[in-house]
Amino acid sequence: DAKTTQPNSMESNEEEPVHLPCNHSTISGTDYIHWYRQLPSQGPEYVIHGLTSNVNNRMASLAIAEDRKSSTLILHRATLRDAAVYYCILRDHGAGSYQLTFGKGTKLSVIP
Amino acid sequence: NAGVTQTPKFQVLKTGQSMTLQCAQDMNHEYMSWYRQDPGMGLRLIHYSVGAGITDQGEVPNGYNVSRSTTEDFPLRLLSAAPSQTSVYFCASSFGLAGGQGTQYFGPGTRLTVL
Repeated sequence: DAKTTQPNSMESNEEEPVHLPCNHSTISGTDYIHWYRQLPSQGPEYVIHGLTSNVNNRMASLAIAEDRKSSTLILHRATLRDAAVYYCILRDHGAGSYQLTFGKGTKLSVIP
Repeated sequence: NAGVTQTPKFQVLKTGQSMTLQCAQDMNHEYMSWYRQDPGMGLRLIHYSVGAGITDQGEVPNGYNVSRSTTEDFPLRLLSAAPSQTSVYFCASSFGLAGGQGTQYFGPGTRLTVL
């Protein structure tokens, strides 16, 4: 499976934008980029996913590099409730694989 | 919808005891799975099911059994608990595999301690 690399931790001030980077230099053509987050003492929750084009939803935006070797999750205005571990995951939709391979993710701290 | 529910929330076992972790979903999802999360680590897949009567092994299946007799329920059985199975266990479900249908919904977790 193609791997992802994320910073261990990041900090942001409340109400400021946050850019969470993810490197995936060995991504294949059928790999989708998924982001999940895990709030303290909770199960992971889906944030966003994309293939080639930038994507937006009510939670966040996903910016994907033109060569697809990196991507950035953008939280437009961080709130205290966004403090969580964010996981960048590659998923091969073409292979029909069920497994989500979680790394250690990026722990985001939001400063009031 | 209640989503994905798990019981119990907490459990303490002695080495060698057996128990079943319960997982249920009310979203009519075909795909269900069990993950474990050790402290400071990401989640690892234990077993998964692609529909009633069909199960398969994930990354770390040893010491665990599963069955799927209904679409809604996917229990995880620990046959003979060991301290190495101390972990937080998450159940997840999804409608399908690809695209938005592959979005996995997770339960709140069961914190298991094996003494």
